[in-house]
Amino acid sequence: DAKTTQPNSMESNEEEPVHLPCNHSTISGTDYIHWYRQLPSQGPEYVIHGLTSNVNNRMASLAIAEDRKSSTLILHRATLRDAAVYYCILREMNRDDKIIFGKGTRLHILP
Amino acid sequence: DTEVTQTPKHLVMGMTNKKSLKCEQHMGHRAMYWYKQKAKKPPELMFVYSYEKLSINESVPSRFSPECPNSSLLNLHLHALQPEDSALYLCASSQRHRGNYEQYFGPGTRLTVT
Repeated sequence: DAKTTQPNSMESNEEEPVHLPCNHSTISGTDYIHWYRQLPSQGPEYVIHGLTSNVNNRMASLAIAEDRKSSTLILHRATLRDAAVYYCILREMNRDDKIIFGKGTRLHILP
Repeated sequence: DTEVTQTPKHLVMGMTNKKSLKCEQHMGHRAMYWYKQKAKKPPELMFVYSYEKLSINESVPSRFSPECPNSSLLNLHLHALQPEDSALYLCASSQRHRGNYEQYFGPGTRLTVT
């Protein structure tokens, strides 16, 4: 299974942008990049996904490197409610199409 | 309604007990999932049901027995569990199993095996 590498933890100040990096150097051409997050005492929730082009939605933006070996999840203005574990996941569309969670990045937001 | 509900929220059971976890969704999703999450670890896939049929079993011990009675309901029957099975059990659903459909997760059942 293609793997992702994320920093164990990051800190950011409230109301500032946050850039969460993810390396996936063994990504294949058919793998989609998905992000989920898990707030304390909750199940994971979907954030965003993309294949090659940058993507925006109401929660975040996803910037994908041209060679697709890395990506960055961007929270434009972090709030205390964004404190969570963020998981970068590769979905292998040609195989069993399972979501395999990596270790994720624990994001701390400082007031 | 984009909610996945799980009951009970907490469960304590002895190693000789039989209990069941329940998961429900009313979004018309045809894929449902069970995950296990140990403390400070990421969720691990256990089972995938697609159109009420078991599609994936990630080599889960037989003391965990899933059941999908209909498209809205998913159960996980527990029997003769071990203390190391104590974890948060998460249920999820998606429109379909295959494809880029997002998964909606429930809040989980926190299971303690004594």
